[in-house]
Amino acid sequence: AQSVSQHNHHVILSEAASLELGCNYSYGGTVNLFWYVQYPGQHLQLLLKYFSGDPLVKGIKGFEAEFIKSKFSFNLRKPSVQWSDTAEYFCAVSHGSSNTGKLIFGQGTTLQVKP
Amino acid sequence: EAGVAQSPRYKIIEKRQSVAFWCNPISGHATLYWYQQILGQGPKLLIQFQNNGVVDDSQLPKDRFSAERLKGVDSTLKIQPAKLEDSAVYLCASSLDGHRTATIYFGEGSWLTVV
Repeated sequence: AQSVSQHNHHVILSEAASLELGCNYSYGGTVNLFWYVQYPGQHLQLLLKYFSGDPLVKGIKGFEAEFIKSKFSFNLRKPSVQWSDTAEYFCAVSHGSSNTGKLIFGQGTTLQVKP
Repeated sequence: EAGVAQSPRYKIIEKRQSVAFWCNPISGHATLYWYQQILGQGPKLLIQFQNNGVVDDSQLPKDRFSAERLKGVDSTLKIQPAKLEDSAVYLCASSLDGHRTATIYFGEGSWLTVV
């Protein structure tokens, strides 16, 4: 069965530190890749997405992610985090050939940024 | 633009009781999803509707869960009878047409505690 694995469950950083959250998926076919963020008390919001083309994608709020097909990875990065980035981050995958848009989520990474 | 609306936001019931959650998707969105998010895990798709037809309900525990979207707009998810392991956040989401490239928008969720 397809699955998404986020290796970091809880990350604590100081402001201005660099961030990288890992995401690996298990599926041999074409995939669409997403990162969602959930700020405290709010709904899930799309940070960025990859369908095809340039494997380095830029999202909102200075986040970016790189798709490395050979490693089945889609890691999220930000060069300098802010206190307001404190949230839970979810990586998700859908099948590239699917027209249903069904998302398979990882278990999430809680990011805590200390001021 | 109004987002995905869900109610109730919080519900506490005893095991073996029933509960229903309501969802109003973004206006004009043909595709509606119900996800279950257990504490510490990522959301898992329960059921997907395209207009008022079911596209995917493969992970819906049909012995106790049911969902409908009779007029292709609002949707209701029911659990009867509830079990302790049903304690979770139930997320409703919608997208314009369910295509793999369509952004999925999530509601704030309905928190269920079964005691």
